Amino acid sequence: IAGITQAPTSQILAAGRRMTLRCTQDMRHNAMYWYRQDLGLGLRLIHYSNTAGTTGKGEVPDGYSVSRANTDDFPLTLASAVPSQTSVYFCASSPLPRGQASTEAFFGQGTRLTVV
Amino acid sequence: DAKTTQPNSMESNEEEPVHLPCNHSTISGTDYIHWYRQLPSQGPEYVIHGLTSNVNNRMASLAIAEDRKSSTLILHRATLRDAAVYYCILRDVSGGGSNYKLTFGKGTLLTVNP
Repeated sequence: IAGITQAPTSQILAAGRRMTLRCTQDMRHNAMYWYRQDLGLGLRLIHYSNTAGTTGKGEVPDGYSVSRANTDDFPLTLASAVPSQTSVYFCASSPLPRGQASTEAFFGQGTRLTVV
Repeated sequence: DAKTTQPNSMESNEEEPVHLPCNHSTISGTDYIHWYRQLPSQGPEYVIHGLTSNVNNRMASLAIAEDRKSSTLILHRATLRDAAVYYCILRDVSGGGSNYKLTFGKGTLLTVNP
């Protein structure tokens, strides 16, 4: 079982370029999330999706967009990258609550993005 | 979102038990208490979660205070591999998951000494 796959593993990107980080899960989870992690700031939620066809903004959504065309894929796009978007990006997925029972989330291994 | 408070860092010796505390005084009735950990250069991984009763699994135990305003993650015998940042997070299951985000704080950096 692959779980969650993120691609690329790392990337150096010129400022102003467009970039899409890919995230695919094979667990048929409804909910998916994108986080960025910066030294000293911990993991911050960028965007999330509770089901295919819906998305929501997290704590730091500016400069990023997402789409959820199907259950498995949740790509994150930087329309015009800036150096402040240099970070490690993690994708996660989770089933929605089963009745009133909570569920665990699964994380990818991350994409290290450097914008120069 | 309900907030949690954890110590910035803790230290333990190998093969000794570790008790990682978390305060969540504003927890609501539909908040589950989750613990995740992040090993160096890896994504976070699930450890355990619970609502009211204490929970045990192969990785750890979760002790939840009777008033649910605090909890403790217990690693029964720390190993070097347990050195990580441990996050205590509240997840709200109300509304069918409409607010089912996973909001991370700074966590506790656990150092395990050989």
